[in-house]
Amino acid sequence: QKEVEQDPGPLSVPEGAIVSLNCTYSNSAFQYFMWYRQYSRKGPELLMYTYSSGNKEDGRFTAQVDKSSKYISLFIRDSQPSDSATYLCAMSVTGDDKIIFGKGTRLHILP
Amino acid sequence: SQTIHQWPATLVQPVGSPLSLECTVEGTSNPNLYWYRQAAGRGLQLLFYSVGIGQISSEVPQNLSASRPQDRQFILSSKKLLLSDSGFYLCAWRGRFGSYGYTFGSGTRLTVV
Repeated sequence: QKEVEQDPGPLSVPEGAIVSLNCTYSNSAFQYFMWYRQYSRKGPELLMYTYSSGNKEDGRFTAQVDKSSKYISLFIRDSQPSDSATYLCAMSVTGDDKIIFGKGTRLHILP
Repeated sequence: SQTIHQWPATLVQPVGSPLSLECTVEGTSNPNLYWYRQAAGRGLQLLFYSVGIGQISSEVPQNLSASRPQDRQFILSSKKLLLSDSGFYLCAWRGRFGSYGYTFGSGTRLTVV
């Protein structure tokens, strides 16, 4: 079983729809959870992070962590064509120098 | 503010040729530095990371090597490139305290022909 599992997609949704992106993980020691957005031929950029369980909202983006289920989600409301990108989940253990990434989900928002 | 520079943006090299990719960070001191490779369908693969000058941890055995000659400089090298070394190479840094994620450079797309 891989440490972090993420559906590669592609996921295509119409503009304005709510998008749900998810990852599962196996290491219960993970405490920091992150979402990165990567546009084609660019480096990933940190979109959101959360510590431990709970929700975090930033504009149209909401990150959720359910540690009991080892499941994290990123919701995008009122999706825009500019949201079309690959989204990578990532997580780490407190004090560890390394971050473990999912393989990324390709998202297409259709105008 | 902190910035990370990575160059070149694209590179086409023949099999058997050497490689040197450089990454520098500005606006911070004593960062953790990382080299990743991203290939289609394989996600981000951690190659090397460094927590200080001259300290290199290798994650994947291969014909690549890394060096950190200065606090904010990280170099990825190869003596002889293989076709399988083609990919998108990303440098990243992470602060020591109170920071959560990596900041990535813009990447180098390497094609070995």
